[in-house]
Amino acid sequence: SQQGEEDPQALSIQEGENATMNCSYKTSINNLQWYRQNSGRGLVHLILIRSNEREKHSGRLRVTLDTSKKSSSLLITASRAADTASYFCATGSSNTGKLIFGQGTTLQVKP
Amino acid sequence: DTEVTQTPKHLVMGMTNKKSLKCEQHMGHRAMYWYKQKAKKPPELMFVYSYEKLSINESVPSRFSPECPNSSLLNLHLHALQPEDSALYLCASSQGEGPETQYFGPGTRLLVL
Repeated sequence: SQQGEEDPQALSIQEGENATMNCSYKTSINNLQWYRQNSGRGLVHLILIRSNEREKHSGRLRVTLDTSKKSSSLLITASRAADTASYFCATGSSNTGKLIFGQGTTLQVKP
Repeated sequence: DTEVTQTPKHLVMGMTNKKSLKCEQHMGHRAMYWYKQKAKKPPELMFVYSYEKLSINESVPSRFSPECPNSSLLNLHLHALQPEDSALYLCASSQGEGPETQYFGPGTRLLVL
């Protein structure tokens, strides 16, 4: 079963605005990862945050993790039309050794 | 080389056909994965080869059969598929076992008629 739930399911913003996506999960994790998928293509890894970390940055991306609330957020600042894609969170557990993907958020950035 | 390649990009097959999907990576990764993804859904794990040992998702039907000829190659053999098996099939690899960063190929778009 899928562990991660993301919201919103869909998000439409103007270029230059910030986009925030949220991910909630149910069981204990070792890490949480965010991936991007352009339409009909493979997934691209964006960022990994470990369970003992609270915040991580990579370029225009900022990820937070709150293990007490079992939730994470991905912030994309100063969005561009090229950021239009689906974004998935994936939780990693050393118990299973596998990644479990959330339902995804579809982001549209209008030029 | 940080690329995972998959062939073919597109495949159309009848329900009585036998076909194979191929995946290759040259990053020295020891774990490789097959995922199935339906439209507007997240990827679902089908199989994992980790250090040449196979781990199966019990819900995957036997008409899908993985093969790992060596640590760089992963095949998925398809036989007697159903129309509901039409999907994007994604291959991925990671450096080792465990929930590490995975590198995905571009996928094979499969249509079963």
